[in-house]
Amino acid sequence: DQQVKQNSPSLSVQEGRISILNCDYTNSMFDYFLWYKKYPAEGPTFLISISSIKDKNEDGRFTVFLNKSAKHLSLHIVPSQPGDSAVYFCAASAPRGGSEKLVFGKGTKLTVNP
Amino acid sequence: ETGVTQSPTHLIKTRGQQVTLRCSSQSGHNTVSWYQQALGQGPQFIFQYYREEENGRGNFPPRFSGLQFPNYSSELNVNALELDDSALYLCASSLRGGANTQYFGPGTRLTVL
Repeated sequence: DQQVKQNSPSLSVQEGRISILNCDYTNSMFDYFLWYKKYPAEGPTFLISISSIKDKNEDGRFTVFLNKSAKHLSLHIVPSQPGDSAVYFCAASAPRGGSEKLVFGKGTKLTVNP
Repeated sequence: ETGVTQSPTHLIKTRGQQVTLRCSSQSGHNTVSWYQQALGQGPQFIFQYYREEENGRGNFPPRFSGLQFPNYSSELNVNALELDDSALYLCASSLRGGANTQYFGPGTRLTVL
């Protein structure tokens, strides 16, 4: 049973437009969420996180939105740049429940076209 | 500030052999977690080490074992390698306690023939 789901395996957007990557989770114990970006042959790079006490967190071009009632989060990238082309992973953990392990989705491959 | 490093970068083993992968945590971090990433999948949690003890384990058999050293570096050992063990092995370091972000190394690509 997959607790973190990224239902879109791929997404293609034009440079300068908004990229929206979505993630759903099933475990209500999750209270900390992260987005990682991964290039081929590299480890995941941390992008942005959000705690369950917030519904939005912003860092430059990246904004994460959390809808706890829907168990849904999304990552917005504005404006999208060709260098953003990578696989994006959503991850969740339950540190207040004593578990700091990260549970990952399968990833969404973002392609930003010039 | 030194990031997370892993060695070796690539490794080829045959079925039944044993392998040891190494990880140095980011300076200031006291917790190391190991993940296995198969092709087309997200990373899967293997286990976490804090204060040289295992602190949480995922759904992996006992032939996956680990160590953490006083300097917070860590090893992942896999015995009796199987073909399905072929994957990217990722190490992540963090500060224990609360919602602390895990920072990943570049990974070790293991191929089992």
